[in-house]
Amino acid sequence: EIVMTQSPATLSVSPGERATLSCRASQSISSNLAWYQQKPGQAPRLLMYGASTRATGIPARFSGSGSGTEFTLTISSLQSEDFAFYYCQQYNNWPRNFGQGTKLEIK
Amino acid sequence: EVQLVQSGTEVKKVGESLKISCKGSGYTFTNSWIGWVRQMPGKGLEWMGLVNPVDSGTRYSPSFQGQVTMSADKSISTAYLQWTSLKASDTAIYYCARQTGGLWFDPWGQGTLVTVSS
Repeated sequence: EIVMTQSPATLSVSPGERATLSCRASQSISSNLAWYQQKPGQAPRLLMYGASTRATGIPARFSGSGSGTEFTLTISSLQSEDFAFYYCQQYNNWPRNFGQGTKLEIK
Repeated sequence: EVQLVQSGTEVKKVGESLKISCKGSGYTFTNSWIGWVRQMPGKGLEWMGLVNPVDSGTRYSPSFQGQVTMSADKSISTAYLQWTSLKASDTAIYYCARQTGGLWFDPWGQGTLVTVSS
């Protein structure tokens, strides 16, 4: 099974600054990667699929890149509502595992 | 609007059985598999498996195979997750989510909190 590893576990960034979150797959998953955002007490929400396509309603400050085993989610100018947990998920192989998550917190 | 609405909070004892539900609306229920995801207290997301609403066909993660049963009733657009004998370690929030044609999850249900005590 594919292991998804996210880094860092916690990222401290000031509002208005740029945040870069990483996700690595233990073997190639092509571009079959999704990103989700989860705020405390809420269900996860789809942000990105196909590694780089924003889901409906997701602001342009969110961007995704990568293919194969290395992926990045970038938030260009952090807003207060962006501080949350972020999870990547591969859907190339069974089981369709998630990464362990990155907590994006206010610096 | 595509929506998944899950059943409410459950408080159970070790060894009891449980079935939680996830009702879809705003789309053709049989067009998309439903996935289940576990989130233990303070932890990340764990992919449990998928159920096909057409025939209740399933695909489980090895970690959950034999531990839970997924099913669906297409006549009422509802998917289920059930346990025959709960353990304390089953305490978690369980989310259902629609697997889109592209295989990612969107949208998600609001989650069902299951608390199992001894």
